[in-house]
Amino acid sequence: EDKVVQSPLSLVVHEGDTVTLNCSYEVTNFRSLLWYKQEKKAPTFLFMLTSSGIEKKSGRLSSILDKKELSSILNITATQTGDSAIYLCAVGTGNNAGNMLTFGGGTRLMVKP
Amino acid sequence: DAGVTQSPTHLIKTRGQQVTLRCSPISGHKSVSWYQQVLGQGPQFIFQYYEKEERGRGNFPDRFSARQFPNYSSELNVNALLLGDSALYLCASSPGGYEQFFGPGTRLTVL
Repeated sequence: EDKVVQSPLSLVVHEGDTVTLNCSYEVTNFRSLLWYKQEKKAPTFLFMLTSSGIEKKSGRLSSILDKKELSSILNITATQTGDSAIYLCAVGTGNNAGNMLTFGGGTRLMVKP
Repeated sequence: DAGVTQSPTHLIKTRGQQVTLRCSPISGHKSVSWYQQVLGQGPQFIFQYYEKEERGRGNFPDRFSARQFPNYSSELNVNALLLGDSALYLCASSPGGYEQFFGPGTRLTVL
């Protein structure tokens, strides 16, 4: 059974801090790893990492995929209160005929002023 | 450009009833997937449709069914509702790869 585990479960930091969120996976037919931010309802797409693109950066957020260790990290530098959310890691599996995302349980981040 | 849209926003049903949830994908996207998110957990895959054909099914009972229409919109049906079906139901559309973009979801409450 495919499995994605995120740590920590929750995190409380102060504005300006740097945080690192972790995601590890055990899946068959790995194709991609995706990070989402969920504030109220819809998860918002952040990054997709694949074998051909193991590092992504956008502003204060960056992510790295370690295929050897079957894991990924999401870094957020100079955190702001607007970064408070649940961060979801998902692994894409399948093939061109069909694909699905297996999600971890999420990390709840709270950034205090 | 409009994102993924879902209707209704909220829904309250009683046990044993049936429900239909609707989703319209991003224009040009031919793939739609459905996920169930129970409070405090990550989303769980239910179905994927591509070009009107079912391409993937998660570990859900046969009470759950879905279909995709020629305009690529989709419906998720759940029969004989149970209390445990209470959740946020998310629809995601994709241009065909593994990048999926989610709609705002339908919050289903079963009493």
